[in-house]
Amino acid sequence: DAGVIQSPRHEVTEMGQEVTLRCKPISGHDYLFWYRQTMMRGLELLIYFNNNVPIDDSGMPEDRFSAKMPNASFSTLKIQPSEPRDSAVYFCASRLTGNQPQHFGDGTRLSIL
Amino acid sequence: QQQVKQSPQSLIVQKGGISIINCAYENTAFDYFPWYQQFPGKGPALLIAIRPDVSEKKEGRFTISFNKSAKQFSLHIMDSQPGDSATYFCAASSQGAQKLVFGQGTRLTINP
Repeated sequence: DAGVIQSPRHEVTEMGQEVTLRCKPISGHDYLFWYRQTMMRGLELLIYFNNNVPIDDSGMPEDRFSAKMPNASFSTLKIQPSEPRDSAVYFCASRLTGNQPQHFGDGTRLSIL
Repeated sequence: QQQVKQSPQSLIVQKGGISIINCAYENTAFDYFPWYQQFPGKGPALLIAIRPDVSEKKEGRFTISFNKSAKQFSLHIMDSQPGDSATYFCAASSQGAQKLVFGQGTRLTINP
């Protein structure tokens, strides 16, 4: 039973470069969430989708961040241009409609030099 | 008002002891209170959750106690084991668990 799959697991890149994080939700789940985890700010919700449509992007920190969900089995979070303060672990989670829990992937550890 | 405050930040308990982690919230619209467990290099995983129509929920060694009037809830781990060593997050949301607000986390260490 495959869980939420994120890639890459680790990304190290230089400031100013474009970064793309990928997520494959659990099959059949109709909600998808992107979170950022840092020591200072903990776990923060960035954006979430329902049936591939962005519902709430109020947590997206700046215009440098964008997220898409072109189909039910794939989502991307893009940072362009990246900055050192974007360094964090980024998690994707998915869930079913109704009183169902969110299932998290194992995250992408992003380091911007 | 959207915050969930969690304490302590870190906790050390001897094997076999009881681990207690506390959370407090302000938003009375919150109606779903899950606890997540996170191991290093892994994503958070749902441990146990409660809704405000009950004051306590127990699953194995894990119990959530909920005090609606005080706007507080806590996680109790009975007979704590070294394998319970992890970071624990409380969270809260309203309207069907779409948008979770997380506490800052508690790093729990169980000494053998």
